[in-house]
Amino acid sequence: GQQVMQIPQYQHVQEGEDFTTYCNSSTTLSNIQWYKQRPGGHPVFLIQLVKSGEVKKQKRLTFQFGEAKKNSSLHITATQTTDVGTYFCAETLSNFGNEKLTFGTGTRLTIIP
Amino acid sequence: NAGVTQTPKFQVLKTGQSMTLQCAQDMNHNSMYWYRQDPGMGLRLIYYSASEGTTDKGEVPNGYNVSRLNKREFSLRLESAAPSQTSVYFCASTEAGALDTQYFGPGTRLTVL
Repeated sequence: GQQVMQIPQYQHVQEGEDFTTYCNSSTTLSNIQWYKQRPGGHPVFLIQLVKSGEVKKQKRLTFQFGEAKKNSSLHITATQTTDVGTYFCAETLSNFGNEKLTFGTGTRLTIIP
Repeated sequence: NAGVTQTPKFQVLKTGQSMTLQCAQDMNHNSMYWYRQDPGMGLRLIYYSASEGTTDKGEVPNGYNVSRLNKREFSLRLESAAPSQTSVYFCASTEAGALDTQYFGPGTRLTVL
C-alpha cells in the first residue's frame, strides 16, 4: 500500500524553540493536507498544499510543498505550550474517481516549559 | 451545528461479541469515512462512502462492515470482535471527496477483551 513516511516520530523541545516535521512519499502527490491532534482529541485540519513549491503561513506555522511534490514540511517558530499534540500529514490517492486520504504516522510534539 | 457526532464514546467488548458504531454529520456532506488509530500509528482507513448509496474498502477492512444509512449517517459494524480490534475509531466527513477538508468526530475508544 501507499507509504507516507513522517519524521521524526517524537520531538521534545524547550518552549520557545523551533520545531519541524517532515513528510516524504515514494510517489508524486496530487496534494497534501496537514492535521493537528491534541492529546485525547480528534484530528483537526490545518492546511492543504496543492502546487509544486507552495509555501503557506499561519501565524507561527509555515507549511511547504516540495518542488517535486514528493515531500512536505511543517515548521513552527518559537513553540508555545498550546502547540503540544501530534501533527499528521495526509496525501490524496485517486482510485477510479473516488478519493481517500492516506495519513502519515505523525510527529508527536511535547513542550518542556 | 454539532458537526460530526459519534456514539458511543467508550465501549468494552468480549471477544466474539458484536456491536455497531454510529456516526452522523449535519453539514450536508457527501463523503464519509471510518478510520482506526492505534498507538504510535497514524489513522488507517477502514471503509469510506464517497456518496450516499456507495461504500468502498479502505486499507484495513477485514472484520468490519459498513452501512451508509442515508446522507447523514454512516455506521461501522464489528460482527465478531477480536482483541486486535482494540483501537480508537474516528468517523470523518467531507463535502465531496478527499480533496476537501476532513471533519472528524470525537472518536470511540473500543477495548476488546
